[in-house]
Amino acid sequence: QKEVEQNSGPLSVPEGAIASLNCTYSDRGSQSFFWYRQYSGKSPELIMSIYSNGDKEDGRFTAQLNKASQYVSLLIRDSQPSDSATYLCAVNGMDSSYKLIFGSGTRLLVRP
Amino acid sequence: GAGVSQSPSNKVTEKGKDVELRCDPISGHTALYWYRQRLGQGLEFLIYFQGNSAPDKSGLPSDRFSAERTGESVSTLTIQRTQQEDSAVYLCASSLEAELEQFFGPGTRLTVL
Repeated sequence: QKEVEQNSGPLSVPEGAIASLNCTYSDRGSQSFFWYRQYSGKSPELIMSIYSNGDKEDGRFTAQLNKASQYVSLLIRDSQPSDSATYLCAVNGMDSSYKLIFGSGTRLLVRP
Repeated sequence: GAGVSQSPSNKVTEKGKDVELRCDPISGHTALYWYRQRLGQGLEFLIYFQGNSAPDKSGLPSDRFSAERTGESVSTLTIQRTQQEDSAVYLCASSLEAELEQFFGPGTRLTVL
């Protein structure tokens, strides 16, 4: 079992819709969770961090964390074509808390 | 302020040559990380530096890979006797302290012919 799992996609949504990106992780001791956006040919850009169960909102982005279910998600409201990118979920490891374990990413396509 | 910078942005080399990649972290960031990203894949942790502590080299794939960091500034990743399998984008990140948010540089795309 992969440590951090994401559906590779592509997830295709129409402009203006809500895009929902999901991530599960295997290390029950993980405490820090991050979402990065990566445009093709570019480096990852941090979008959200979340450390506590529940929701965290920042503009059009909402991160949701459920540690009991080992599940973290990212919602993008009012999706724009410029949101089309690969979204990487990253989770810290329990034994080396500074070390991020990345999922392979979900490719999001927002159709105009 | 300035973000993480990396050089060169692209490097093409012949199999068997040595290469050196450079990373300048965000000023004041004590933690520095190197990752590798192969085409179409996720990021693979290579090495971590935190201040003057011993680095965590557990992700280095072979003894051909080594890295250094001078204090809390520049880091270099060296790959000796490069192989075609080393072709990837090498990403550097830094964070204010360990366990906090990591910010990535633009990466160095390495191609081994």
